[in-house]
Amino acid sequence: SQQGEEDPQALSIQEGENATMNCSYKTSINNLQWYRQNSGRGLVHLILIRSNEREKHSGRLRVTLDTSKKSSSLLITASRAADTASYFCATGLSGNTPLVFGKGTRLSVIA
Amino acid sequence: EAQVTQNPRYLITVTGKKLTVTCSQNMNHEYMSWYRQDPGLGLRQIYYSMNVEVTDKGDVPEGYKVSRKEKRNFPLILESPSPNQTSLYFCASSLGTSNQPQHFGDGTRLSIL
Repeated sequence: SQQGEEDPQALSIQEGENATMNCSYKTSINNLQWYRQNSGRGLVHLILIRSNEREKHSGRLRVTLDTSKKSSSLLITASRAADTASYFCATGLSGNTPLVFGKGTRLSVIA
Repeated sequence: EAQVTQNPRYLITVTGKKLTVTCSQNMNHEYMSWYRQDPGLGLRQIYYSMNVEVTDKGDVPEGYKVSRKEKRNFPLILESPSPNQTSLYFCASSLGTSNQPQHFGDGTRLSIL
């Protein structure tokens, strides 16, 4: 059951620009997580934001969460070619309900 | 180094020939799970385990088995593989529940002919 949906599906920007990806979901959540996947590799956890938090930062990453709109955004500032990857949001519900991943945004950063 | 190790990384095999994909983590994590990733469908959970001897079905368990005899290992077994199980498989682990950050292995690409 897909819950998170990322937007856009693909994004191409120049190095140094900011990249913004959005995630929308349908039901109440415990937390929302963002992951990065380089081509052919496993997912890497980037950041977790809890349902009672509105914004979180980690290095060049900024995540916001709006539970009233059931949406989150991931901002990567001053992007680099190495940021080229697919980015997924995943929603955590209560108990041991599996994390539900979206289909991802493919980001290309052109040097 | 903290890691989740899957083997093999690539496998081409034929319909009906039993196979096992191993997964091992060195972080003393309680929670482990298996996902498959298919184009257009994203990641879907196959099975998960909250601790030793405790396993449960995820969203797409049909055609798969798992076991959790030791905390560090969580093998995925395809008793009679079929072509619709051709996919990219990931093992993941986390400290507590599914709500915690997941550590993923590098993936196993399976092709069933």
